[in-house]
Amino acid sequence: DTGVSQDPRHKITKRGQNVTFRCDPISEHNRLYWYRQTLGQGPEFLTYFQNEAQLEKSRLLSDRFSAERPKGSFSTLEIQRTEQGDSAMYLCASSPRTVLLSEQYFGPGTRLTVT
Amino acid sequence: AQTVTQSQPEMSVQEAETVTLSCTYDTSESDYYLFWYKQPPSRQMILVIRQEAYKQQNATENRFSVNFQKAAKSFSLKISDSQLGDAAMYFCAYRSHTNFGNEKLTFGTGTRLTIIP
Repeated sequence: DTGVSQDPRHKITKRGQNVTFRCDPISEHNRLYWYRQTLGQGPEFLTYFQNEAQLEKSRLLSDRFSAERPKGSFSTLEIQRTEQGDSAMYLCASSPRTVLLSEQYFGPGTRLTVT
Repeated sequence: AQTVTQSQPEMSVQEAETVTLSCTYDTSESDYYLFWYKQPPSRQMILVIRQEAYKQQNATENRFSVNFQKAAKSFSLKISDSQLGDAAMYFCAYRSHTNFGNEKLTFGTGTRLTIIP
């Protein structure tokens, strides 16, 4: 198992453009999380999937953000009409469904810069 | 809502020495989990150590140990025999107890640890 992967690792875009990020979780991990990390801050929760169902969204997730996990495997996070305030590291994490305390495994992140 | 506070933005320690990173949290819940994550420069975040709130015994993982004070809502990380590879951002995180629900983490702002050779 190669761990959680994210693509692209870096994205530079102009304000107003749409961007899409992809996350591939560890296989058979049914839970998937998106976090956003701005400079000097810890990661903040954005949204959570259990299999293909999006079960919770943070109030941080404005209407310009949408996330999907169509087949319960990989997930995409799309930001429409990007703003400079969207510049951040977007982290994906996955965890297995177990009865015990399950660890979240993080990907390397996608660093977004909006110019 | 739960909050996690790390009051030390930066810490440094001499190689082979011991360092303690501080973390406090606020919650009205009685059952929860606490974590320390390590984020090396340009690398992904990895779990260092975890603590279940219902356990009185402090967790230990090799050179890493915690001092969990539930009444004081304090959760510090002690790194013994510091090594160059310990240099990283360290994040304290909180998770509510839940059965098969959203296990989202609430993070502090982090402490950047520098190891002095």
